Amino acid sequence: KNQVEQSPQSLIILEGKNCTLQCNYTVSPFSNLRWYKQDTGRGPVSLTIMTFSENTKSNGRYTATLDADTKQSSLHITASQLSDSASYICVVSDRGSTLGRLYFGRGTQLTVWP
Amino acid sequence: EADIYQTPRYLVIGTGKKITLECSQTMGHDKMYWYQQDPGMELHLIHYSYGVNSTEKGDLSSESTVSRIRTEHFPLTLESARPSHTSQYLCASSDTLSDTGELFFGEGSRLTVL
Repeated sequence: KNQVEQSPQSLIILEGKNCTLQCNYTVSPFSNLRWYKQDTGRGPVSLTIMTFSENTKSNGRYTATLDADTKQSSLHITASQLSDSASYICVVSDRGSTLGRLYFGRGTQLTVWP
Repeated sequence: EADIYQTPRYLVIGTGKKITLECSQTMGHDKMYWYQQDPGMELHLIHYSYGVNSTEKGDLSSESTVSRIRTEHFPLTLESARPSHTSQYLCASSDTLSDTGELFFGEGSRLTVL
């Protein structure tokens, strides 16, 4: 059964600290993995996409990693800010966009305290 | 920001009422989707469309219906709302020509059925 599991379910950190969110998947075949950020009361917004051949990709203070062999991805947030408080959702696609199906994780709820 | 809009943002109605959630996008995307999202749970696909006059049911059984008469418009209708329909409904679109299948989400419509 294709699944996407995220951990931790929730996380509280102090402003300025770093954190790492995890995503493990069993989706096969694998096309790409996206991290979305969903602010409270808003729709998700894409942060980064990882394809099979990519190991690391950065977007500002966000750095995503992918280990396609172990089927694990992480999202590292550096020097957290209050605006980072949100739910971070891992989404895996099993094929290209035309035929691909998307598998969603339940998200990690991050709270950044001042 | 994505040019995809949902109305209403919040709706509280009584059981048995008919409701329509509106979704419009100005990006010219062929593909549009409706997802249902409950707190702490993954997004579930309830309807999707690959273009005008094309609609399909998603993975999650839903009593709602959709239509796609125009490329930019993808409304969702509940003929007789029940408390079990209380949820957040997210509309999204994607570009068929994109290899990565990024979803662009609206802000969501939070429905409460009393």
